Amino acid sequence: DAMVIQNPRYQVTQFGKPVTLSCSQTLNHNVMYWYQQKSSQAPKLLFHYYDKDFNNEADTPDNFQSRRPNTSFCFLDIRSPGLGDAAMYLCATSRDPAGANEQFFGPGTRLTVL
Amino acid sequence: GQNIDQPTEMTATEGAIVQINCTYQTSGFNGLFWYQQHAGEAPTFLSYNVLDGLEEKGRFSSFLSRSKGYSYLLLKELQMKDSASYLCAVRTMDSNYQLIWGAGTKLIIKP
Repeated sequence: DAMVIQNPRYQVTQFGKPVTLSCSQTLNHNVMYWYQQKSSQAPKLLFHYYDKDFNNEADTPDNFQSRRPNTSFCFLDIRSPGLGDAAMYLCATSRDPAGANEQFFGPGTRLTVL
Repeated sequence: GQNIDQPTEMTATEGAIVQINCTYQTSGFNGLFWYQQHAGEAPTFLSYNVLDGLEEKGRFSSFLSRSKGYSYLLLKELQMKDSASYLCAVRTMDSNYQLIWGAGTKLIIKP
């Protein structure tokens, strides 16, 4: 089945220790998104790629970086995690940002910062 | 600014009907989405509205009024598995076609 896969599902890191979250998709979608979601809050868009074009949201901290080496994979790097970065990180894809194209989400990575 | 409002929590009875409202203040409206999110899981797509009116899909229906900045999600014949959060998201041209998300409505189904 075509899908969006995220690894790991659960990640524990120490304050200030870099961490990388990964996302892969078999849908061959052009757009990939990274969201941060805290409990009972709306998902917050961090970045998105339209093909190779990278789009950073204005309020995304510099501590967060992203890479998309090819169509299928996308990575989220948190260079120096703080306690406030503990959250669920959701990767999503869509065929196109416009039109009747919904976003398909991976299962998420829950990040704990000690 | 751009804003989406939904009730924080609602309670309904198994087998009944519930309507979850969403109001939005945005510019450059380009479509409205409803997603379901079970606790600890990722959102899954339910419906999409871009024109005024009702879209029906099985037990779920979604309504849009662009002039009023208003949508609702109607769930019929409620089942216990419908206990989840329901998120309203608006896509706007002004946000480069990205989604502006509501915080979600937590729906609790009681037997």
